[in-house]
Amino acid sequence: EAQVTQNPRYLITVTGKKLTVTCSQNMNHEYMSWYRQDPGLGLRQIYYSMNVEVTDKGDVPEGYKVSRKEKRNFPLILESPSPNQTSLYFCASSLEQSNQPQHFGDGTRLSIL
Amino acid sequence: SQQGEEDPQALSIQEGENATMNCSYKTSINNLQWYRQNSGRGLVHLILIRSNEREKHSGRLRVTLDTSKKSSSLLITASRAADTASYFCATDIRGGSEKLVFGKGTKLTVNP
Repeated sequence: EAQVTQNPRYLITVTGKKLTVTCSQNMNHEYMSWYRQDPGLGLRQIYYSMNVEVTDKGDVPEGYKVSRKEKRNFPLILESPSPNQTSLYFCASSLEQSNQPQHFGDGTRLSIL
Repeated sequence: SQQGEEDPQALSIQEGENATMNCSYKTSINNLQWYRQNSGRGLVHLILIRSNEREKHSGRLRVTLDTSKKSSSLLITASRAADTASYFCATDIRGGSEKLVFGKGTKLTVNP
């Protein structure tokens, strides 16, 4: 089944403790991206990647890192999480570009205390 | 700033009625996409309309695009309780980066 898989689905952690949210897709997609969703603010793009070893900032990249060492994986790294990063995070992928249908994961709910 | 903005923010209708949601954007686009999100779940792609298209249909969905007004509308006909969800438009930016910008969404409630 074609899918985007995020892990973990839920995480409660503390300020400053490094964490990684994994994202994997099995559709051989080139374009992958991360979003955060906050009440009243909608979805905002954090980072995106056009292909392996090619990443670029979205609208809200501060406090986040990403890597794209393999085509299927696009982990989101919070080196020193802070409470303002408490949010619902989504990973998405598409065939080649942002202007193509995006396939979304089921989301990761992060709470930073 | 948001590229796409939907209105209304919330819409409540009875089953069988039509629901119309609007999206406005600011810059020239290659295409515009509509997504649905059931509560707390990932977004699901509904329909994509290219900048040179004016109208597109998919089942009970009808999307229009007016590039002169930089606006789009999503019409759901004969709505069902299962259509209850939030609906988002998303736009890329022509000649710009590969960012995809989502609006804040319209929350649709269809009452049985």
